[in-house]
Amino acid sequence: GAVVSQHPSRVICKSGTSVKIECRSLDFQATTMFWYRQFPKQSLMLMATSNEGSKATYEQGVEKDKFLINHASLTLSTLTVTSAHPEDSSFYICSARRARTVYEQYFGPGTRLTVT
Amino acid sequence: AQKVTQAQTEISVVEKEDVTLDCVYETRDTTYYLFWYKQPPSGELVFLIRRNSFDEQNEISGRYSWNFQKSTSSFNFTITASQVVDSAVYFCALSAPNQGGKLIFGQGTELSVKP
Repeated sequence: GAVVSQHPSRVICKSGTSVKIECRSLDFQATTMFWYRQFPKQSLMLMATSNEGSKATYEQGVEKDKFLINHASLTLSTLTVTSAHPEDSSFYICSARRARTVYEQYFGPGTRLTVT
Repeated sequence: AQKVTQAQTEISVVEKEDVTLDCVYETRDTTYYLFWYKQPPSGELVFLIRRNSFDEQNEISGRYSWNFQKSTSSFNFTITASQVVDSAVYFCALSAPNQGGKLIFGQGTELSVKP
């Protein structure tokens, strides 16, 4: 149990277009999902915390108008990179925290975004 | 503020050697959780262990062992008799309920095990 999927696993898009990444908890409910970004040879940096039914909380320095997060159900959160630019190319990883737990967090396999 | 420091950026060992990955953390919370994750070249994070702040018992799982010492704010990870398949980036992370449960990651240590 406790599987988190991400779709797509890889995406290449042209500069100026928008890309949507889905994060799903397949066999549990997740009231909270987290979105991380990882540049090559670097650590994971938290971008935002997504709570079901409410607005996401963004970390300092993350543009909320550029990285739109929607958490419409207990099993799905989406991250939309709007007007993507080459500097947005990165590995995006989501994690889902099981409802009514403090620390049970499960990671998705990641989405590699390349903006040309 | 919370912080996790993994001072070793890269470590290279020869197969069958023992290797210890260091992790030092900072937090003002009295209740917190510490984690280790493995990230192979595929990119997917593999959960290795979780420890809460009230449990300082060391843990052993096969060739893996963890040493948690609150007195030095450290949570070190040792691989005994390393194997080539252990080659990966290893992350130490900290989470506190008072901080919404988000994970703060260290910089990661890239372990290379050569045959």
